[in-house]
Amino acid sequence: EPEVTQTPSHQVTQMGQEVILRCVPISNHLYFYWYRQILGQKVEFLVSFYNNEISEKSEIFDDQFSVERPDGSNFTLKIRSTKLEDSAMYFCASSGQGVYEQYFGPGTRLTVT
Amino acid sequence: GEDVEQSLFLSVREGDSSVINCTYTDSSSTYLYWYKQEPGAGLQLLTYIFSNMDMKQDQRLTVLLNKKDKHLSLRIADTQTGDSAIYFCAAPGRGGYQKVTFGIGTKLQVIP
Repeated sequence: EPEVTQTPSHQVTQMGQEVILRCVPISNHLYFYWYRQILGQKVEFLVSFYNNEISEKSEIFDDQFSVERPDGSNFTLKIRSTKLEDSAMYFCASSGQGVYEQYFGPGTRLTVT
Repeated sequence: GEDVEQSLFLSVREGDSSVINCTYTDSSSTYLYWYKQEPGAGLQLLTYIFSNMDMKQDQRLTVLLNKKDKHLSLRIADTQTGDSAIYFCAAPGRGGYQKVTFGIGTKLQVIP
């Protein structure tokens, strides 16, 4: 069964460093998303992406964040200068034409020290 | 915006039924989801229900929707130890069907 994959599973970085989290969505999906979950808190929407542009973003997704689909398979989330409060589990998701079902990857745990 | 609330913890004995409850605020939500997260794993879509339905059954899972009270429940019949996980209720947010708002998640503990 097709699935969303994410790499790395765990990333440790120092405050102020740039990180890129990578996702490979399900191959025929058209809509892509990033969510995050700070430990003990709700899963929060960050951004959605369709047709090579951001379709919606939350207040969390400020100018320190960016997304890109550099080729036909990868979807990346970049944090330019990480802060301690960026430590969280980051989930990538994708959905097909019907949009109703969003399929999630296993997540990347980002630890900022 | 949309807000989704659910209780934090539920403990049941193996073989019993589990009922996980959720409330949401946005009555315009056209559908609602249940996701399952096992330890160390991602969010697995279990089922979803359209707002024009009252009930949806899928094997051991029954979803009940009370649109008037904005109340959603997930019933797991004959709960097994493998059902131990965190269950998230989720709804599309206001202003965009693509954005999904999640509840805090209910941790289901199944006692053998």
